Amino acid sequence: DSGVTQTPKHLITATGQRVTLRCSPRSGDLSVYWYQQSLDQGLQFLIHYYNGEERAKGNILERFSAQQFPDLHSELNLSSLELGDSALYFCASSVGQAPNTEAFFGQGTRLTVV
Amino acid sequence: KNEVEQSPQNLTAQEGEFITINCSYSVGISALHWLQQHPGGGIVSLFMLSSGKKKHGRLIATINIQEKHSSLHITASHPRDSAVYICAVNSGGGADGLTFGKGTHLIIQP
Repeated sequence: DSGVTQTPKHLITATGQRVTLRCSPRSGDLSVYWYQQSLDQGLQFLIHYYNGEERAKGNILERFSAQQFPDLHSELNLSSLELGDSALYFCASSVGQAPNTEAFFGQGTRLTVV
Repeated sequence: KNEVEQSPQNLTAQEGEFITINCSYSVGISALHWLQQHPGGGIVSLFMLSSGKKKHGRLIATINIQEKHSSLHITASHPRDSAVYICAVNSGGGADGLTFGKGTHLIIQP
């Protein structure tokens, strides 16, 4: 158990809908990273939050947004969903944002858009 | 061209064999990570390296910064080692997330 909790584990929704994925980092970790894993693109970095502030963006679509709350949990909001958004979404947490800190991954949320 | 290349893509071996998975990267990095992903989907961090060599149980990871190359070795492989092994790098500052290889799908047959 990595100590990172993601909910829900599975989500099935229709095209055009909006969903929210939730991530609770390990106790004491200030950084939360969101990643998407799809069959065609593999694992890709979406966005990074540190202590409530956005720190970096990767290949995140404009239809997607995220935030980190004062209790450090984070939410990834996906809107106007398309079939191609079906993927595994992981969050990872680390103590800081320096490069040499180990990242701990959650079990992922499997999103299926039908 | 992917910034992180892994080889082989697929590897099937017999129980007890010595396994090597290779990772090459084309950018300057601050750290390299080896991750394991089981069929259930969860990702486990195995090693984080910025130089030299690390060992944990039957797993050994090495990195050569000059050659931009890392290897993950598994000694006395076991069917429970069957998983996808993913190499990932921190290529930017600390704010950027990891850049991943496509993974090596390892099957250890009893």
